[in-house]
Parts: sequence; C-alpha cells; structure tokens
Amino acid sequence: GQNIDQPTEMTATEGAIVQINCTYQTSGFNGLFWYQQHAGEAPTFLSYNVLDGLEEKGRFSSFLSRSKGYSYLLLKELQMKDSASYLCAAPSGGYNKLIFGAGTRLAVHP
Amino acid sequence: GAVVSQHPSRVICKSGTSVKIECRSLDFQATTMFWYRQFPKKSLMLMATSNEGSKATYEQGVEKDKFLINHASLTLSTLTVTSAHPEDSSFYICSASQGSRSGYTFGSGTRLTVV
Repeated sequence: GQNIDQPTEMTATEGAIVQINCTYQTSGFNGLFWYQQHAGEAPTFLSYNVLDGLEEKGRFSSFLSRSKGYSYLLLKELQMKDSASYLCAAPSGGYNKLIFGAGTRLAVHP
Repeated sequence: GAVVSQHPSRVICKSGTSVKIECRSLDFQATTMFWYRQFPKKSLMLMATSNEGSKATYEQGVEKDKFLINHASLTLSTLTVTSAHPEDSSFYICSASQGSRSGYTFGSGTRLTVV
C-alpha cells in the first residue's frame, strides 16, 4: 500500500526557520517530491530527492532518509509569501502516479 | 521547460449538464497524464491515470461513468464531468509526466462550480 503523512498545520515567524516533516510508505521507491501550493493555484515544484542526504536550493532544502521512510523540507529566512501549503508526494505504482500527502498549511506571521 | 495548459480556468454550470476540461502538453509528448481533484483546504486526490490510446485507470471510489477521460493524442487529455451536481464542485488539476525522474508538470487548474 501507500501512505504519506505530514503535519496538517504549522506556524512560524518571519525570518525564522521551519522544518516540515514527511513520512512515507510506498510500493517501490522512485523518489520523493516537495511542492508548494498557494490557495487556488496549481502546485509548484520545489525539490526531488532520490538519494539519501540533504539537497540545498537557496532558502529551501530537502532531506531524505530512505531507510527510515522520512523526508523533511527546511525553509530558511521565512518570508510572508512563504505562507502556503507544502505537499509531500511520491510516485507509486506501474504508471508512477504521483500520490500526495495531506499537505501542511504553513502560516508565516510578522 | 515543460508546460501544461489547462482550460477552462473557471466554469460555472447548471446541475445536470456536462462540463469538459482540457489538458494539453504544449512542448512535449505526454504518454501519461493524471487527473486530480482538490477540495478546499485539502490535498490533491488522484482520480485517474490517463493513457494515450487506451482506457483510463481510475482510482478506487471514482465513478468512471461520471468522470469520462479521453486521451486521444500524445498532447491532449480531457476530463468530462457528466450530469454534474453541486457536490462535484471542486478544483480539478491535471498533470503530465515525462518519466518519474523528470518530474511532473501541472496545469493551472479548473475551478468548477455547479449551481
């Protein structure tokens, strides 16, 4: 089966750092994605991890541990515009259909 | 980069009518496309996998006769919501893949309101 878990909501202060965790169970493993989604818009790609370790891309970094079925998204120097939903997703099944977690709604306040 | 065009962006229809949503890959061929549905403050729920030239594969609990999917070419997939009812009101998003490691490109979404 497949299951992706992440916290429903988080709050953080502008300028701070926040870590959004994701645990997953999928049939086979073809990488782990993170997307950002603002209300009423399509998801936008943030990161893709297929190997263990941390990948840094500007203010956003993503970490993967395949043995633990665990990933996190790290957002540094938070800005108000970072208030959005952050979706953890993994390809699964014969067509590598992308399955999403419930999403984490992040609210950044001054 | 890869672009997926989805139309219409918003549509309001009367109960009992049908609505067609188009998803086009503009600069690449998409053998497989995916259709998602999203309720307010919820995540994307996969409805079906659309394969060019063959029948779509529907997720458990999705009515295939209500949500008709056609993938007639390598650049176009359509989702038709038949006999729409207010409970079908939702945000529908399509996605195309060029292979899992290449990522997934999303359309801009369609906000369907059934009155």
